[in-house]
Amino acid sequence: DAGVIQSPRHEVTEMGQEVTLRCKPISGHNSLFWYRQTMMRGLELLIYFNNNVPIDDSGMPEDRFSAKMPNASFSTLKIQPSEPRDSAVYFCASSEPGQGDYGYTFGSGTRLTVV
Amino acid sequence: QKEVEQNSGPLSVPEGAIASLNCTYSDRGSQSFFWYRQYSGKSPELIMSIYSNGDKEDGRFTAQLNKASQYVSLLIRDSQPSDSATYLCAVAYGQNFVFGPGTRLSVLP
Repeated sequence: DAGVIQSPRHEVTEMGQEVTLRCKPISGHNSLFWYRQTMMRGLELLIYFNNNVPIDDSGMPEDRFSAKMPNASFSTLKIQPSEPRDSAVYFCASSEPGQGDYGYTFGSGTRLTVV
Repeated sequence: QKEVEQNSGPLSVPEGAIASLNCTYSDRGSQSFFWYRQYSGKSPELIMSIYSNGDKEDGRFTAQLNKASQYVSLLIRDSQPSDSATYLCAVAYGQNFVFGPGTRLSVLP
């Protein structure tokens, strides 16, 4: 199993530009989570999907952030326009059905730097 | 507000010693608890889960849970330099995990 695959691994962009982060969950996992990690705030849940449907997006910081999951094998997190305070590591994670009891598997993350 | 607290460390222990990592959580409704290890520049990796009061052992790792005190701990026996990492406590609320800030462990050769 290839695990959770995220791309790109690193992204450097200028303030005001659109950024799109991509995630492919583990096959058979029906829940997908987007987290952001910073030194100041630690790991924060942004949004999660069950069966491609957004369940809780209360962690999305503002309207500049949007996430989609058009099918079971792909999700995107978009920031438009990006700002320097969005600089962080963004992790995608997935879990099996009913697997809140069994933990997530994280992808390698995307390190975003907005200058 | 569901909160998970950990000492940020760093916690330094000599090689071969027992490292003890602690975590408290605010919501008594939590049923599932996890420890993740995160090496610098890497993603979190699940190392232990625990659901019932008491101890759960897996190799050199022992997780301890006390729901009455809302307290979870992780013991690492015979600590190795390769155990040096940040350890994140996570508490599950349904499918949503709330993570603590992590404790940085340094095992000194």
